[in-house]
Amino acid sequence: GAVVSQHPSRVICKSGTSVKIECRSLDFQATTMFWYRQFPKQSLMLMATSNEGSKATYEQGVEKDKFLINHASLTLSTLTVTSAHPEDSSFYICSAGTGGNQPQHFGDGTRLSIL
Amino acid sequence: AQTVTQSQPEMSVQEAETVTLSCTYDTSESDYYLFWYKQPPSRQMILVIRQEAYKQQNATENRFSVNFQKAAKSFSLKISDSQLGDAAMYFCAYRTYNQGGKLIFGQGTELSVKP
Repeated sequence: GAVVSQHPSRVICKSGTSVKIECRSLDFQATTMFWYRQFPKQSLMLMATSNEGSKATYEQGVEKDKFLINHASLTLSTLTVTSAHPEDSSFYICSAGTGGNQPQHFGDGTRLSIL
Repeated sequence: AQTVTQSQPEMSVQEAETVTLSCTYDTSESDYYLFWYKQPPSRQMILVIRQEAYKQQNATENRFSVNFQKAAKSFSLKISDSQLGDAAMYFCAYRTYNQGGKLIFGQGTELSVKP
């Protein structure tokens, strides 16, 4: 089956650091990838839609200068949290799809902790 | 805009019994997809079952089945012969045909299974 690899699984870093999270589709090409954020005991909130070769589409209220998304190839999207602060601590999860009526496939998520 | 509502924050079921998780949604679209995802403590997102809105027949996957009522905009999940491994957070999700297929999640229902 389709596999999405997300890396790293856990990051702990100091306030002010920029953190990059990678999302790779291992055995299929994904023209569209999605980035979600999840707080403890809460639902997944869509942050942005990442489109290969074009700018990402951000959801209302998500700072595009804070959360930089790059989708340089059909198998890789990256989310960079710039100048991270403690309030950016959360669980970030990506998904990728092949389009049409096929379901999305999720990565295993990244737990980000900013000290 | 589409919304998904899960009105049961927590549910409990005895092992081997049946439990139904509720989900309602709001949309003006006629074509869309509905999903149930399971998220265990590992926080992996696992697809349980999906339903295409144009199909009248309710989807089934082994012990999991749905009751899809399009006119009522209701999409409940029934788990039969509950097992200890079914304990998890369950999310109902709506996916548009357009807008790149992004998922809109409900608030989630935490299911516990008693031995």
